[in-house]
Amino acid sequence: GQQLNQSPQSMFIQEGEDVSMNCTSSSIFNTWLWYKQDPGEGPVLLIALYKAGELTSNGRLTAQFGITRKDSFLNISASIPSDVGIYFCAGPGGSGNTGKLIFGQGTTLQVKP
Amino acid sequence: DSGVTQTPKHLITATGQRVTLRCSPRSGDLSVYWYQQSLDQGLQFLIQYYNGEERAKGNILERFSAQQFPDLHSELNLSSLELGDSALYFCASSTTGTGNEQFFGPGTRLTVL
Repeated sequence: GQQLNQSPQSMFIQEGEDVSMNCTSSSIFNTWLWYKQDPGEGPVLLIALYKAGELTSNGRLTAQFGITRKDSFLNISASIPSDVGIYFCAGPGGSGNTGKLIFGQGTTLQVKP
Repeated sequence: DSGVTQTPKHLITATGQRVTLRCSPRSGDLSVYWYQQSLDQGLQFLIQYYNGEERAKGNILERFSAQQFPDLHSELNLSSLELGDSALYFCASSTTGTGNEQFFGPGTRLTVL
């Protein structure tokens, strides 16, 4: 079945550094989503991408829809302590008339003040 | 605050028991989704309802069932509980039946002893 692979699995960085993470799929996606999950909370939608090559920003976060439609990237600039959490990529996992999502295994980000 | 509410926040029960998890979607959202998050399996789609009808099914066990009521709230019923059912259960909602932009509730942490 469809799978999403995220890398790296975890990152430990210094406050102020930029962060890059990516997500690859075994099949083509027409939508990519990036979520962030804080400990004990539900995932929060950060960015949604709908077109190959699309580059979308949300504050210090920028995500790109890969041109092959099999990958996506998330960058965080000038990281701060509240960026700590798990970042998930997600994409449609069902047929055209459902909203089923499949998720990557997550990238855990830790920021050292 | 995503606007999606879930109760209870925590649930501790014994093997063999039955529990009901409740979810109220964001105002105006017609679709409700249930996901299970465990350490070894990550975020897994269980089932989707759209305007009271089942729309999509994932890897949901036969011991689990769900429904969406006329007021659009949803319940997930878990029966004959096993230790391995211990996990976080999230409800998400979206405006449409194919809504990839899903908004997650805070989750219910189920512990089966």
